[in-house]
Amino acid sequence: DAGVTQSPTHLIKTRGQQVTLRCSPISGHKSVSWYQQVLGQGPQFIFQYYEKEERGRGNFPDRFSARQFPNYSSELNVNALLLGDSALYLCASSWTTGNTEAFFGQGTRLTVV
Amino acid sequence: QKEVEQDPGPLSVPEGAIVSLNCTYSNSAFQYFMWYRQYSRKGPELLMYTYSSGNKEDGRFTAQVDKSSKYISLFIRDSQPSDSATYLCAMSHPTSGGSYIPTFGRGTSLIVHP
Repeated sequence: DAGVTQSPTHLIKTRGQQVTLRCSPISGHKSVSWYQQVLGQGPQFIFQYYEKEERGRGNFPDRFSARQFPNYSSELNVNALLLGDSALYLCASSWTTGNTEAFFGQGTRLTVV
Repeated sequence: QKEVEQDPGPLSVPEGAIVSLNCTYSNSAFQYFMWYRQYSRKGPELLMYTYSSGNKEDGRFTAQVDKSSKYISLFIRDSQPSDSATYLCAMSHPTSGGSYIPTFGRGTSLIVHP
């Protein structure tokens, strides 16, 4: 069975641009969460979606938005990119909103220049 | 003060050593405690999770939670070079919406040399 898949794996964008990152959860998982991991730090929670509804939001500006589709895949959008948005963006899926058994994808490495 | 504190290391040990990795936390509301392993350029991989205080063992790994001291540990027995990675602790409590949102430590870099 396929694990959590994220696309693209790497991305280079210019300041001010917009980016969309994609995530497909493990089959049967209905919860998807997004994290930002800056080099040398642990992942920081951005959003959680469960059954297409937002169930949690971290301390990130409104430039960050997300959605979940009927097939439980998800997109993370970031507008007006800043240099500080450069990070590894991780998607995790789980059966429920409990997140104790969350499975991560390998991430999208975003570089803003 | 951060909610979850974790020494970044690096921690360098010889093959076969017992490794002790630790985190402290300040939020007494945390209920679930997780340990992840992250290899370079990969996503984190869940090793173990525990609920409440006590020990939990899985193969060469033992997770320990001391809620009274707000201290958690991960022990790795008979460490192998393949254990070289960054180890992240994470902990969560229920939000008003019923979700459990994990708060991660910054990770400890472990190097096991042959």
